[in-house]
Amino acid sequence: EIVLTQSPGTLSLSPGERATLSCRASQSVSSSYLAWYQQKPGQAPRLLIYGASSRATGIPDRFSGSGSGTDFTLTISRLEPEDFAVYYCQQYGSSPLTFGPGTKVDIK
Amino acid sequence: EVQLVQSGAEVKKPGESLKISCKGSGYSFTSYWIGWVRQMPGKGLEWMGIIYPGDSDTRYSPSFQGQVTISADKSISTAYLQWSSLKASDTAMYYCARLGCSGGSCYNYFDYWGQGTLVTVSS
Repeated sequence: EIVLTQSPGTLSLSPGERATLSCRASQSVSSSYLAWYQQKPGQAPRLLIYGASSRATGIPDRFSGSGSGTDFTLTISRLEPEDFAVYYCQQYGSSPLTFGPGTKVDIK
Repeated sequence: EVQLVQSGAEVKKPGESLKISCKGSGYSFTSYWIGWVRQMPGKGLEWMGIIYPGDSDTRYSPSFQGQVTISADKSISTAYLQWSSLKASDTAMYYCARLGCSGGSCYNYFDYWGQGTLVTVSS
């Protein structure tokens, strides 16, 4: 089973700042099968990025994903008020599918 | 518009059985895998299993194999998650989600999610 570790656990930033979230895998994620989700309190997760760097339908271009192998990054170029949420990575290169523990982005 | 609409919140006692549902609309229900994801209170996301409604091919996470049953009725575009004997530790939010496809191929990421079904198990 591939274990995903996300850092930091909490990121305290102000609107307009840049957010950089890390997701590290315990072994290489095949074909960069890595997705990112955003979850706000009381809501279902929302797909942001798949294939490590492809934005899902309707996702603003301030969200970008990068990385390969065992190290992946989600970048939010300029935080908007609606971006404060918890972000999860998920690998789908091997079974079982696994999620990281999440990074909370909160308002500084 | 793709929609997954889940059944309402449930309050059950330990040992009781339960079946929750997820109805898909706005796309070809039989052509996409549907998955179930658990979120325990204040915790992260856990993959439980997936089903292909077209032929009911089902895959389970080892952590949930034997603990739950995933099924689907393609005639009414609905997937199900069921328990035969609930435990207090089954208290959680359960999400169904569609697995995504791009470029003509399908993959195991979740592109559309249901609103969640809260299951509370308490004596």
